Amino acid sequence: DGGITQSPKYLFRKEGQNVTLSCEQNLNHDAMYWYRQDPGQGLRLIYYSQIVNDFQKGDIAEGYSVSREKKESFPLTVTSAQKNPTAFYLCASSIPGQRGTDTQYFGPGTRLTVL
Amino acid sequence: QQQVKQSPQSLIVQKGGISIINCAYENTAFDYFPWYQQFPGKGPALLIAIRPDVSEKKEGRFTISFNKSAKQFSLHIMDSQPGDSATYFCAASMIGNTPLVFGKGTRLSVIA
Repeated sequence: DGGITQSPKYLFRKEGQNVTLSCEQNLNHDAMYWYRQDPGQGLRLIYYSQIVNDFQKGDIAEGYSVSREKKESFPLTVTSAQKNPTAFYLCASSIPGQRGTDTQYFGPGTRLTVL
Repeated sequence: QQQVKQSPQSLIVQKGGISIINCAYENTAFDYFPWYQQFPGKGPALLIAIRPDVSEKKEGRFTISFNKSAKQFSLHIMDSQPGDSATYFCAASMIGNTPLVFGKGTRLSVIA
């Protein structure tokens, strides 16, 4: 069954703690993305990676870090420097940019709550 | 700077009616315009997409209309059903695996 998996589905964090959100895909996609979703704000890009061992900051990268050691995996760490981390986090992937194949496929999301 | 502006923020439509959601963009380098549908607690799923070389694309009850000169595109849902109740996002990107830029979403409620 091909797709994108995110874990955990729900995550609770105490203030001052770092937490890591998992994202795995078996679609053989080169590019992967992390978005943050807040009510009424749409989806905002945190980080993206177009190839293994390379990634770029998105619009709201402060307080977050990522790694891309494997094509299939793109974990996101929410650090204690992120002042308002409570949100719904979405991972996505897409295949190389050929005309007609830019579709991004999303995982089911992780809801992070800071206690 | 919001590159894709979406309206309305929320929409209530009678069952069987037409739902219309509008988006406007600023960057003329955008080359790909998808619409995503999201149900509560789930990830967004691609609904329909268009490129600027066509003015309209239809898939079942869903139609995208695209106006390149006005830099606007819209989603029309014909014969709206309660199962269409969801949040809809328009987005845009440039060719070549560039990240999508999303509108802020429209919450659609279809009532019987």
